[in-house]
Amino acid sequence: KAGVTQTPRYLIKTRGQQVTLSCSPISGHRSVSWYQQTPGQGLQFLFEYFSETQRNKGNFPGRFSGRQFSNSRSEMNVSTLELGDSALYLCASSRAEGYTGELFFGEGSRLTVL
Amino acid sequence: AQSVTQLDSQVPVFEEAPVELRCNYSSSVSVYLFWYVQYPNQGLQLLLKYLSGSTLVKGINGFEAEFNKSQTSFHLRKPSVHISDTAEYFCAVTRSGGSYIPTFGRGTSLIVHP
Repeated sequence: KAGVTQTPRYLIKTRGQQVTLSCSPISGHRSVSWYQQTPGQGLQFLFEYFSETQRNKGNFPGRFSGRQFSNSRSEMNVSTLELGDSALYLCASSRAEGYTGELFFGEGSRLTVL
Repeated sequence: AQSVTQLDSQVPVFEEAPVELRCNYSSSVSVYLFWYVQYPNQGLQLLLKYLSGSTLVKGINGFEAEFNKSQTSFHLRKPSVHISDTAEYFCAVTRSGGSYIPTFGRGTSLIVHP
């Protein structure tokens, strides 16, 4: 069974630009969550999508947005990039039935903002 | 809301020595508990989980953890570590019957010296 796939793995942007990151969950997983990981703040929850609907949202500004498609693939977008957005962005998927909070993570997309 | 405290940000240890990584949580309701491991430049991988039943939980790579409800702890242990165990370890908690969005600790960096 293929794992969670995130693209791109690495990218460099400049301040003011926007970026779109993609995540393909494990087959059969309908929930996709996004996390931002930085050395200073650790793992911070961005949002969770289930059946194309945002079900939960973390405490991030509106520049951070996401969506989920009918095949459960998800994208997140960050507009008007700031230096502080440099981070590892992790996507995680999970089953819907009997869900306990166990997550299956991708390898992440490392964003550097110059 | 629940919270997680990982008491040590860094734990240095020599190869073949035992190790314990400490995790305390706070929650007013029943919880599910998880330990994840993150190797350099990778996503998080589940080590073990406590959902119910026996309080001693065994995971992958020889790790185990014990759920202690009275002390609200879920410490991770390994009797003999290897160089390859060098990684970041995250404790996480979800509220059973809740939104199932995990709250993560800040992480403990395990550094195994030869």
